[in-house]
Amino acid sequence: DVKVTQSSRYLVKRTGEKVFLECVQDMDHENMFWYRQDPGLGLRLIYFSYDVKMKEKGDIPEGYSVSREKKERFSLILESASTNQTSMYLCASSTGTGGMVEQFFGPGTRLTVL
Amino acid sequence: GEDVEQSLFLSVREGDSSVINCTYTDSSSTYLYWYKQEPGAGLQLLTYIFSNMDMKQDQRLTVLLNKKDKHLSLRIADTQTGDSAIYFCAESIGGYNKLIFGAGTRLAVHP
Repeated sequence: DVKVTQSSRYLVKRTGEKVFLECVQDMDHENMFWYRQDPGLGLRLIYFSYDVKMKEKGDIPEGYSVSREKKERFSLILESASTNQTSMYLCASSTGTGGMVEQFFGPGTRLTVL
Repeated sequence: GEDVEQSLFLSVREGDSSVINCTYTDSSSTYLYWYKQEPGAGLQLLTYIFSNMDMKQDQRLTVLLNKKDKHLSLRIADTQTGDSAIYFCAESIGGYNKLIFGAGTRLAVHP
């Protein structure tokens, strides 16, 4: 069974803090993704990575950065958390091949910034 | 740019059929997907359809694709309380298996 785990289910941080969200997958997938989920907006892609040390911006990268030093781990960093970054953050992974490819999701981290 | 739209809520009676609709914009999408999110969980792939098909059936699930109108629907037959969840439509775009998701339709099943 593919497993994608996220470091925390719930996180509360203060405005201006640096926040790290970690994601680990155990299926040797090439691609990893970070989304944020907000009611009425669905999932929006923040960043994705297609290989170690490789990253691409998604639709809403402002205020975020990422790190992928090992194939199984993809970190999302909020350099200076703000209240508008309060959201559910979902990590996903998939193989790198074309055709029909399933993205496997972690359970999510609900981040509250006060 | 690419966009996927779906209605936000659907309420059905247990045992009835549910139909969730979705429209997308990228006509080059090769695959279209339905994902399900149960309360407190991440998304799970429910079913998918290849763009050269117009229908796919999988047990209680039927996916219909109208490529001309860029319209995708998911029909759940004999809807059960366990089907209560948020359903996301998604289209694949570009490389690296990127997906564009709709806002999600919250399905409520009542007795």
